[in-house]
Amino acid sequence: DGGITQSPKYLFRKEGQNVTLSCEQNLNHDAMYWYRQDPGQGLRLIYYSQIVNDFQKGDIAEGYSVSREKKESFPLTVTSAQKNPTAFYLCASSTPNQPQHFGDGTRLSIL
Amino acid sequence: RKEVEQDPGPFNVPEGATVAFNCTYSNSASQSFFWYRQDCRKEPKLLMSVYSSGNEDGRFTAQLNRASQYISLLIRDSKLSDSATYLCVVNSWGQGNLIFGKGTKLSVKP
Repeated sequence: DGGITQSPKYLFRKEGQNVTLSCEQNLNHDAMYWYRQDPGQGLRLIYYSQIVNDFQKGDIAEGYSVSREKKESFPLTVTSAQKNPTAFYLCASSTPNQPQHFGDGTRLSIL
Repeated sequence: RKEVEQDPGPFNVPEGATVAFNCTYSNSASQSFFWYRQDCRKEPKLLMSVYSSGNEDGRFTAQLNRASQYISLLIRDSKLSDSATYLCVVNSWGQGNLIFGKGTKLSVKP
């Protein structure tokens, strides 16, 4: 089945540690996105990529980094510079200007 | 003015009720409009696109008013399973990314 796979489902980070969230899609979509959602809040865009080897900062990119070396993959690294990383992280993909399809998310917590 | 604004609710309605949500957007250049549904602790899922002429999908009707820059979603004959948060989503042409409203929470009671 075609879809978007995020892993892990739950992740715990220690102080000062970088962690990487995986996002893989087999929908042949050019565009991929990372969002953060806090309890009771809307989705906020962290980074997006419209084509391989290119990505753009979203509204809250500070403390995060991404890469887009392959069309299928768009990993997100939460660095130690992100002081409040506890949130629900959602990856999405789409063809340009079409609805986005989401993975089932990663919940990140601080130990 | 926020880019996409929705009444956060919650809307508490009995089964069988008709409920309507509105959403306003600030960018008059917006070209694509969608409603997503998000269940508690789950990812958003596309409910329906919104077309200029209005469109219907079963019990759900979506309408767009470009002049007033608002989108609506009407749910008829509400079911318990309709309980969720409904997200209004707008895509501005050329930006390549979607702007999500914070969502309107619906709770359908027996």
